[in-house]
Amino acid sequence: NAGVTQTPKFQVLKTGQSMTLQCAQDMNHNSMYWYRQDPGMGLRLIYYSASEGTTDKGEVPNGYNVSRLNKREFSLRLESAAPSQTSVYFCASSEWHNTDTQYFGPGTRLTVL
Amino acid sequence: QKEVEQNSGPLSVPEGAIASLNCTYSDRGSQSFFWYRQYSGKSPELIMFIYSNGDKEDGRFTAQLNKASQYVSLLIRDSQPSDSATYLCAVHSGGGADGLTFGKGTHLIIQP
Repeated sequence: NAGVTQTPKFQVLKTGQSMTLQCAQDMNHNSMYWYRQDPGMGLRLIYYSASEGTTDKGEVPNGYNVSRLNKREFSLRLESAAPSQTSVYFCASSEWHNTDTQYFGPGTRLTVL
Repeated sequence: QKEVEQNSGPLSVPEGAIASLNCTYSDRGSQSFFWYRQYSGKSPELIMFIYSNGDKEDGRFTAQLNKASQYVSLLIRDSQPSDSATYLCAVHSGGGADGLTFGKGTHLIIQP
């Protein structure tokens, strides 16, 4: 039981490049989330998927897109990376969207030059 | 705008003492409250959650919730150097809202 896994662990992009961050969970959870964490800013919600087939914007969605591929997988795409997107990205999942504990993946450290 | 406020610290506590971490939140409709621990370079891991007013104990950890004052705290008894980390308070409003709102965290240092 791996919990929440994320790939890649580290990535360096040039401004304007695109990439997709992958997330998968094996806990049969219904809800999945993408956060970014920046020094002094805390964790901020980018997008979430309350259940398979649905996605919604969080606090900071601009510059990102998401896909809930199936119940297990939730990907985050940067279409044209900008230096302001340099951050650590965490995927999380919970059994249900409201009230339940969220479990976090190990994170992806992204640098955009 | 829902806000969760924490003192960023660092909070320095001698080994074996009680560490007290505090958090206030702005949304009076908040229903679920979580404490996560985050070691440097690692992901947040759940320490405790609390839903009802009062105290909830789990080993060396006690979470305290006062909804009237919009205040939640975490006490760590017999603090160990391994407790040195950043502690994140998170609040869930429920009712279809968009996930957890996190505080910026308190950096705790346990001095041997």
